[in-house]
Amino acid sequence: GESVGLHLPTLSVQEGDNSIINCAYSNSASDYFIWYKQESGKGPQFIIDIRSNMDKRQGQRVTVLLNKTVKHLSLQIAATQPGDSAVYFCAESSNTGNQFYFGTGTSLTVIP
Amino acid sequence: ETGVTQSPTHLIKTRGQQVTLRCSSQSGHNTVSWYQQALGQGPQFIFQYYREEENGRGNFPPRFSGLQFPNYSSELNVNALELDDSALYLCASSLIQAGGREQFFGPGTRLTVL
Repeated sequence: GESVGLHLPTLSVQEGDNSIINCAYSNSASDYFIWYKQESGKGPQFIIDIRSNMDKRQGQRVTVLLNKTVKHLSLQIAATQPGDSAVYFCAESSNTGNQFYFGTGTSLTVIP
Repeated sequence: ETGVTQSPTHLIKTRGQQVTLRCSSQSGHNTVSWYQQALGQGPQFIFQYYREEENGRGNFPPRFSGLQFPNYSSELNVNALELDDSALYLCASSLIQAGGREQFFGPGTRLTVL
């Protein structure tokens, strides 16, 4: 089966600092990746996605990096804010994209 | 908010019982996927429905079944409940003509099996 995992289960950062959340995946056929943010009591919220034909994509305050050679994905959050505190998941899919595999999640805590 | 709604928000059942969870997809979306999220884990794909038919299934036993209705809403049915079925059940809607890749999640139904 698929294996999508995160290197660190928890991460604490000071407000204003940059955050980096890492993710490893095992399926070399994966061609689409998404980062989700999940706040307590809510469903996952789409943050940013990237296709396998790219190695970097930027959004508002977020950047996703994809290294297909080592099957590694990272999410960078610039100027982290208290509202960024949540659990972050990476998810990957291949081919038809109707099945996503999620990692365990990293809990990000922003210290004011 | 995504526009995806789920009911009920919380549910308590006993082992062996059956449960039905409901999901209304975001307006304009025609595909619904269901996920099980155990405490402290990432969501696990159960199945997806498109055009009222199952369009992909994860590693879940047949006692997990679903329906999609003409208005694209969906139900997840679980028979013969087991203690390990206790989890947050999430549905996500998408538009398959748009590639179906970006999925919008509802808030989930918290199921507790005693």
